[in-house]
Amino acid sequence: DQQVKQNSPSLSVQEGRISILNCDYTNSMFDYFLWYKKYPAEGPTFLISISSIKDKNEDGRFTVFLNKSAKHLSLHIVPSQPGDSAVYFCAAITGNQFYFGTGTSLTVIP
Amino acid sequence: NAGVMQNPRHLVRRRGQEARLRCSPMKGHSHVYWYRQLPEEGLKFMVYLQKENIIDESGMPKERFSAEFPKEGPSILRIQQVVRGDSAAYFCASSPMRAGELFFGEGSRLTVL
Repeated sequence: DQQVKQNSPSLSVQEGRISILNCDYTNSMFDYFLWYKKYPAEGPTFLISISSIKDKNEDGRFTVFLNKSAKHLSLHIVPSQPGDSAVYFCAAITGNQFYFGTGTSLTVIP
Repeated sequence: NAGVMQNPRHLVRRRGQEARLRCSPMKGHSHVYWYRQLPEEGLKFMVYLQKENIIDESGMPKERFSAEFPKEGPSILRIQQVVRGDSAAYFCASSPMRAGELFFGEGSRLTVL
């Protein structure tokens, strides 16, 4: 049962434009959400997070939006850079467990 | 401050053999998580451990898989009598606190022939 879903397996964006990665979840008990970035042959690295009591968190070029009524969060990267090309996982926490989505592979075209 | 260290990075086993994957958490981290990533799939939770205790193993297959995090030494994920379906990347992550930020290792890729 996939409680965190990333329905777009891949996304291509032109350098300088905005990348929007989406994530949906089903469990209303999730109280913290995170985005991780993964390069090939490396482990995921933390990117940005948001508490369930907030609707937006911004860190440089990265902004995460949370819509609790829709059980939806998104990651905006602007402007996108070729070095952003990676797989992005959203994750949600409740209790002891982190639940990860299946990932979206972002390609930023120079 | 070294990150999460996993070894081996690559492991090849024949069906029926045992696989042991090791994870040394970041210094000061007492919470360890193991995740498995199958081809074309996301990260699937397997087990959450603290020193000498298994806190949550709800993601572990009921048979052949076990995990430990002893008082001294790395956390070990052990897979007995491996089958081809066990081929995957196994990631370990550590955290300084429960449900804190996870720091991942580079993963151990298991291939079962």
